[in-house]
Amino acid sequence: GAGVSQTPSNKVTEKGKYVELRCDPISGHTALYWYRQSLGQGPEFLIYFQGTGAADDSGLPNDRFFAVRPEGSVSTLKIQRTERGDSAVYLCASSPGQGNIQYFGAGTRLSVL
Amino acid sequence: RKEVEQDPGPFNVPEGATVAFNCTYSNSASQSFFWYRQDCRKEPKLLMSVYSSGNEDGRFTAQLNRASQYISLLIRDSKLSDSATYLCVVTFNSGNTGKLIFGQGTTLQVKP
Repeated sequence: GAGVSQTPSNKVTEKGKYVELRCDPISGHTALYWYRQSLGQGPEFLIYFQGTGAADDSGLPNDRFFAVRPEGSVSTLKIQRTERGDSAVYLCASSPGQGNIQYFGAGTRLSVL
Repeated sequence: RKEVEQDPGPFNVPEGATVAFNCTYSNSASQSFFWYRQDCRKEPKLLMSVYSSGNEDGRFTAQLNRASQYISLLIRDSKLSDSATYLCVVTFNSGNTGKLIFGQGTTLQVKP
């Protein structure tokens, strides 16, 4: 069956621009997570959705980062006024519910020039 | 101090060798423990869960020592295909988020 799908796979943007990253979870998975992985590091938690609501956004680094999941399926991570330090791989994972195994998408590699 | 610490390596071993990775975690409230495998430029994939009693899956053995807050992964008879980064992961049941806390990862390179 289809896994977690993330688009685009690569995104190059200029400092100060706005970007949107999309995650399409496994069908029926209610839990959705965003992580960010910088070069040479493990993934770091950003935000968790249970259904449509952000149940935990404690990992978002600042108010330039925002995520939505309006219908409880697809999620969009939005980054305003991008900075070079935002360059990383943004990973999305979904799970049948909190506490279950998380399945990761291939990620979006964001490069801010 | 990071919540989950690993030696980043790299560990360079010949085929057939036995190699062990260690990981320590700082939060005693940690409840669940995992090893994930990540190939170069790919997503992390669950390798195995880790239980206090220890568990084995083929050539892979994982151990958890709650008293020392220490997790290990042993790989026997290494194969070229084992070359990857191995991520130690913990999670907490309190707060009910299930978010994963990753270590930096340990890189393994198995050579012919």
